[in-house]
Amino acid sequence: NAGVTQTPKFQVLKTGQSMTLQCAQDMNHNSMYWYRQDPGMGLRLIYYSASEGTTDKGEVPNGYNVSRLNKREFSLRLESAAPSQTSVYFCASSEVGQGAIEQYFGPGTRLTVT
Amino acid sequence: TQLLEQSPQFLSIQEGENLTVYCNSSSVFSSLQWYRQEPGEGPVLLVTVVTGGEVKKLKRLTFQFGDARKDSSLHITAAQTGDTGLYLCAGETSGSRLTFGEGTQLTVNP
Repeated sequence: NAGVTQTPKFQVLKTGQSMTLQCAQDMNHNSMYWYRQDPGMGLRLIYYSASEGTTDKGEVPNGYNVSRLNKREFSLRLESAAPSQTSVYFCASSEVGQGAIEQYFGPGTRLTVT
Repeated sequence: TQLLEQSPQFLSIQEGENLTVYCNSSSVFSSLQWYRQEPGEGPVLLVTVVTGGEVKKLKRLTFQFGDARKDSSLHITAAQTGDTGLYLCAGETSGSRLTFGEGTQLTVNP
């Protein structure tokens, strides 16, 4: 049981390049999320998927697209990377436990855009 | 818009000391979670509180949810170096979403 896995762990892009961050979970969770984490800003929600086949914008969706490929996989795509997208990206999945959402996070992808 | 404010932002203490971290909002949350994050890793869920006034204990950690479900606190008794990390609170809003505070970076010195 690996939990939430993310690839790659590190990536360096030049401005204008594109890439896809991959995320998979093996906990049979319905909901999945993409966050970015910047110093002093906490975690900010980019996109989320409440269930297979649905996606919704979060707090900071501009410059990103997502695909919920199936129940297990949720990918994040940067079509034309910008230096402002340098950040640490976390994928998470959630279940409802104790009457509340409980999120489980992957190890993160550290992205630098030059 | 940052709905959850954590204080202090940074905290450096000696091993054996007690500390309290606060998480405040003007919004009401249906639940609140606390996570701990270590360098190079993702956040790990510590506790979930659901009922106003609820107190939960996890060994030396005590979590409290405010009566009005707008704020929470985390108290650590006799801190250890292994408690070092970034502590994040997160409030549950509508639609299976969480709003995170900016975090409290705790350093426990030997």
